[in-house]
Amino acid sequence: ETGVTQTPRHLVMGMTNKKSLKCEQHLGHNAMYWYKQSAKKPLELMFVYNFKEQTENNSVPSRFSPECPNSSHLFLHLHTLQPEDSALYLCASSQAGGSYNEQFFGPGTRLTVL
Amino acid sequence: ELKVEQNPLFLSMQEGKNYTIYCNYSTTSDRLYWYRQDPGKSLESLFVLLSNGAVKQEGRLMASLDTKARLSTLHITAAVHDLSATYFCAVDSRYSGGGADGLTFGKGTHLIIQP
Repeated sequence: ETGVTQTPRHLVMGMTNKKSLKCEQHLGHNAMYWYKQSAKKPLELMFVYNFKEQTENNSVPSRFSPECPNSSHLFLHLHTLQPEDSALYLCASSQAGGSYNEQFFGPGTRLTVL
Repeated sequence: ELKVEQNPLFLSMQEGKNYTIYCNYSTTSDRLYWYRQDPGKSLESLFVLLSNGAVKQEGRLMASLDTKARLSTLHITAAVHDLSATYFCAVDSRYSGGGADGLTFGKGTHLIIQP
């Protein structure tokens, strides 16, 4: 595997389900991010992790719960979601602390909440 | 609140023509990023602009940055159909000079290039 991978690529879930999204980066980076992309809004930052420590929560509802066990893996745990949470969820990674913050994105998980 | 504004948001043009996409931002950061997204796909990094006056070119695309005007442009020369995509500009959300930082994106410019 190379770059940033995400699983699953597509997910359909009911409002009472619990599911998890997984992201893995193979770039040796030390920072990982979750973004949400929906039809109605621009790309929105959700969470930032630096050396597996959460450094930013962009006012995300508690039904989204991130987990970063190490610098290479990032999860987004989902529970009791709403239909308006249907979107493309993108994971990204970067090498923080350098002269720039170029982020590399995974293919995304297309989430549909029924 | 940090704002990143792109225009136009939608652009339909013919092959062979030139055009420019504009990106205005409200932060004092001197770093700006351009990404491309094909339908149903993820974001691909195109350019990283790191200082005032920076100019980068890749094929038919050229990006520039004017930090004093807080403006970046993405110029397309002699457009070809393969360049049809959505183009996003982004800036560091906080730019503390170090550490991880999320990006704030513009709404994107949906570009269609017709034969």
